[in-house]
Amino acid sequence: AQSVTQLDSHVSVSEGTPVLLRCNYSSSYSPSLFWYVQHPNKGLQLLLKYTSAATLVKGINGFEAEFKKSETSFHLTKPSAHMSDAAEYFCVVSDLSNTGKLIFGQGTTLQVKP
Amino acid sequence: NAGVTQTPKFRILKIGQSMTLQCTQDMNHNYMYWYRQDPGMGLKLIYYSVGAGITDKGEVPNGYNVSRSTTEDFPLRLELAAPSQTSVYFCASSYRAENTEAFFGQGTRLTVV
Repeated sequence: AQSVTQLDSHVSVSEGTPVLLRCNYSSSYSPSLFWYVQHPNKGLQLLLKYTSAATLVKGINGFEAEFKKSETSFHLTKPSAHMSDAAEYFCVVSDLSNTGKLIFGQGTTLQVKP
Repeated sequence: NAGVTQTPKFRILKIGQSMTLQCTQDMNHNYMYWYRQDPGMGLKLIYYSVGAGITDKGEVPNGYNVSRSTTEDFPLRLELAAPSQTSVYFCASSYRAENTEAFFGQGTRLTVV
């Protein structure tokens, strides 16, 4: 069965410092992986997706993620945090049933301190 | 371009009451989904639909029902509200099943008292 585990429930960084949000996945096949962001009282927005093309995926707002099959990881990074990055981040894997169902990690809350 | 629209945004229900959460999308997507979000739990799939007239259960369907009479609309029905259904509900749609993003509505925050 597909699953994702977000290794940190809460991450706190200072503005201007790097961001690292960690995600490990479990999949029998080459997975489709996503990172979504949810700002307070808002819906979810796609940051980036991996679909077996380049292993380094660039997303919106300066975020990127690297797919590492040997480590079954898909960590999200950003070189320099901005106050507006404070939000909830979800690592997501696509279900294998060809129905588009998504399996979510538990979420990581990113706090950005001035 | 409205995308996925959910109504209402907030609702308080009493135990045993019923209500329908509305979801409509204007992107002509065949695939639609209902998720619920509980604190610290990520999102869990309640029901999904792969096209008009076709629905199926997700991971947590108990206490809910859906219908899909048109491509645009995918309402979620709560028949006998229970405190365990206090949650934030998200509707989503996508245009194909694989390797594609889902578009989410703004959510409905439901409290059952």
